[in-house]
Amino acid sequence: GQSLEQPSEVTAVEGAIVQINCTYQTSGFYGLSWYQQHDGGAPTFLSYNALDGLEETGRFSSFLSRSDSYGYLLLQELQMKDSASYFCAVRDLGSSASKIIFGSGTRLSIRP
Amino acid sequence: EPEVTQTPSHQVTQMGQEVILRCVPISNHLYFYWYRQILGQKVEFLVSFYNNEISEKSEIFDDQFSVERPDGSNFTLKIRSTKLEDSAMYFCASSDRGLGTGELFFGEGSRLTVL
Repeated sequence: GQSLEQPSEVTAVEGAIVQINCTYQTSGFYGLSWYQQHDGGAPTFLSYNALDGLEETGRFSSFLSRSDSYGYLLLQELQMKDSASYFCAVRDLGSSASKIIFGSGTRLSIRP
Repeated sequence: EPEVTQTPSHQVTQMGQEVILRCVPISNHLYFYWYRQILGQKVEFLVSFYNNEISEKSEIFDDQFSVERPDGSNFTLKIRSTKLEDSAMYFCASSDRGLGTGELFFGEGSRLTVL
């Protein structure tokens, strides 16, 4: 089976940096994704790591260590609009089409 | 920018009734998915669909559920004999090239309320 662990809640201050960790256990692994979801909205894709290392996209960066089954999402220069839930997700191969399994999500609250 | 569209945005139904949720995936995508999210909880995989057949389904996707691609654009989720615990947000998603970048494109969701 698959399991993904991430903190349920994180609080940070506007302008600061926050890191959201994710550890995973899967029977097959092809990559780790991160999604953002605002209240009442749909999940939107942020990043994907298939190889070890850091991927940077603007204020957001994502890191993967396959040997440790661990990754994190780093958000810099936090803005109030970054208040949302963040899900790590694992691409897990199934039959002829991969599927993505989501973690339980980390609710990020940002204080002024 | 191309997007996944879902209808209805909200449906209220009585327990035991059948509902059909509709989705129009992005036109050049080949892989289609249904996920559901009970309020405040994680996004749960229901089913994936490729080449006009189910590729994989979760334990949640039992005989009560079915999917169909009736024409070249629509992708539907049918829930027969709804139960109270089926109340959730249902998201349709699509992707191209078998998730080579790990990216799913989600619709805005259909909120199902079963009374």
